Amino acid sequence: DARVTQTPRHKVTEMGQEVTMRCQPILGHNTVFWYRQTMMQGLELLAYFRNRAPLDDSGMPKDRFSAEMPDATLATLKIQPSEPRDSAVYFCASGLRTSGFSYEQYFGPGTRLTVT
Amino acid sequence: QQQVKQSPQSLIVQKGGISIINCAYENTAFDYFPWYQQFPGKGPALLIAIRPDVSEKKEGRFTISFNKSAKQFSLHIMDSQPGDSATYFCAAKKTGANNLFFGTGTRLTVIP
Repeated sequence: DARVTQTPRHKVTEMGQEVTMRCQPILGHNTVFWYRQTMMQGLELLAYFRNRAPLDDSGMPKDRFSAEMPDATLATLKIQPSEPRDSAVYFCASGLRTSGFSYEQYFGPGTRLTVT
Repeated sequence: QQQVKQSPQSLIVQKGGISIINCAYENTAFDYFPWYQQFPGKGPALLIAIRPDVSEKKEGRFTISFNKSAKQFSLHIMDSQPGDSATYFCAAKKTGANNLFFGTGTRLTVIP
């Protein structure tokens, strides 16, 4: 049963601390997305990668957020320093983008981040 | 600026009834329109999707109706069941891109 996994599932941290969220995309998928979900803003795209290369990170506050894919099985999202307004659920999604018409995105269970 | 506008924000339907959720967009460069279903504590899951060259797509009790000229699309859930109670998101993708623009979500409650 292939699925996207995310760790940790929950994170509570104090303002100013570094937060690292990890995602393991579905094996063989070549596109990875990071989203943030809040009640006020809904689902917002932060960044996405294809074949490990960043294609778009325009939704991410550059001064404190960074996203990387060290290898094909791991994507990371870091916040340094964290702020209370970063409190949200962060989702990773993966997909297989080929030359055909396939844009399905498979979401992980999310990391619920609370910054106090 | 919200690229995809979704309504209503919440919806209560009796079991067996029809649930209808609507979305509208302005950008004619959108070429893929999926609907996602999200249960509490879970990530969104793809429910059904449509391309603009067809006006309707049906999968089981779920139907997307698409009106290209009006730039609107809707999700119809026939014979709604309590298990359908979830938040539903419409989304759209631009030609040549991979990322989705999501609507603000509709919380559906189906009462027995």
